[in-house]
Amino acid sequence: TQLLEQSPQFLSIQEGENLTVYCNSSSVFSSLQWYRQEPGEGPVLLVTVVTGGEVKKLKRLTFQFGDARKDSSLHITAAQPGDTGLYLCAGAYNFNKFYFGSGTKLNVKP
Amino acid sequence: SAVISQKPSRDICQRGTSLTIQCQVDSQVTMMFWYRQQPGQSLTLIATANQGSEATYESGFVIDKFPISRPNLTFSTLTVSNLSPEDSSIYLCSVLGQNQETQYFGPGTRLLVL
Repeated sequence: TQLLEQSPQFLSIQEGENLTVYCNSSSVFSSLQWYRQEPGEGPVLLVTVVTGGEVKKLKRLTFQFGDARKDSSLHITAAQPGDTGLYLCAGAYNFNKFYFGSGTKLNVKP
Repeated sequence: SAVISQKPSRDICQRGTSLTIQCQVDSQVTMMFWYRQQPGQSLTLIATANQGSEATYESGFVIDKFPISRPNLTFSTLTVSNLSPEDSSIYLCSVLGQNQETQYFGPGTRLLVL
């Protein structure tokens, strides 16, 4: 059983479209991170959210942490082929133990 | 951020042998972790590598199969023992950043067991 469920599992869209990835849990986390991973590489941190209700923007990416700190979403505006990759959310317990979501494979077609 | 290197980057091993993976960080860090990942799938935490004491293993992972060393604050090794094809996976080390909220990952070691 996955502690953090991500949806959708797979997403294939055309360049220029918008998309949202969800990360849900029944557990409360001290913080939550989003990573992107490309084949043959380790995950690369995109953002950390700590406060319930927090919204962070990173260029075309918008991250939101749920009010109860149990869920999060990642919204990409006007997706580009360079956004293609595996997106992973990770929840932290006590700031030093991390559990990863099931992952979302995104493919952006030119 | 921290720069993390892993050796080897990939290996092909025979059933019954062992592989030791090295993880080197460019700065001293308090916490290091070892993960396993099937290609394109999520990460599963194997253990936390503790400096100067035994590693802390997650449920389903035991020291006899995955012995870990952490001799100092910049280096750790993970050994995968008595290899079987089911051990074929990507093994990643990570460290906790100074803000204690985020992890930085090495590039991973791809292991194929024949």
